[in-house]
Amino acid sequence: GQNIDQPTEMTATEGAIVQINCTYQTSGFNGLFWYQQHAGEAPTFLSYNVLDGLEEKGRFSSFLSRSKGYSYLLLKELQMKDSASYLCAVRDNGNNRLAFGKGNQVVVIP
Amino acid sequence: DSGVTQTPKHLITATGQRVTLRCSPRSGDLSVYWYQQSLDQGLQFLIQYYNGEERAKGNILERFSAQQFPDLHSELNLSSLELGDSALYFCASSVARGREQETQYFGPGTRLLVL
Repeated sequence: GQNIDQPTEMTATEGAIVQINCTYQTSGFNGLFWYQQHAGEAPTFLSYNVLDGLEEKGRFSSFLSRSKGYSYLLLKELQMKDSASYLCAVRDNGNNRLAFGKGNQVVVIP
Repeated sequence: DSGVTQTPKHLITATGQRVTLRCSPRSGDLSVYWYQQSLDQGLQFLIQYYNGEERAKGNILERFSAQQFPDLHSELNLSSLELGDSALYFCASSVARGREQETQYFGPGTRLLVL
């Protein structure tokens, strides 16, 4: 089985940097995804990590440590449109099913 | 726009009824996944189809069933509906051709309200 844990909510100021953590316990691991979801809308793909280390993609970076079962998503130069839920999802070994955490709600204030 | 389409966008029905949700994957994608998202549970994987065949099953109730047709679109059937089935139902698709990064792209969802 899989257990994915994320903090529930955080508030940050426009222009700031915010780090969203995700810890997981899984019987099989084949990659970790981060998705952004605005309320009532579809999750949209942000980043993917399968090896340890940092993946940078513009204002968003994601880090993975497989030995620690830990990942974080770093959002830089926060904008109001970044107010959303950020979902961490672990891919099962052997198939492509994703197990999602409950998401971390980020609220960006002026 | 992910390229995945879902219909209908909203659905209101009564307990005990049966509904069908439809999903068309992105062009070229062979795999379709169904997820349920309720306020207290987050996104829960229901079932995956690959090129017409069931590939993986998650927390899908026996009252729910799905299929993928030869043109690769998929339908999720929900029967004997209960109040607790009210949720957002998402479909996602991926290429599923053995590449390392099999990103799933999500459709806009169907919001189901059971009264």
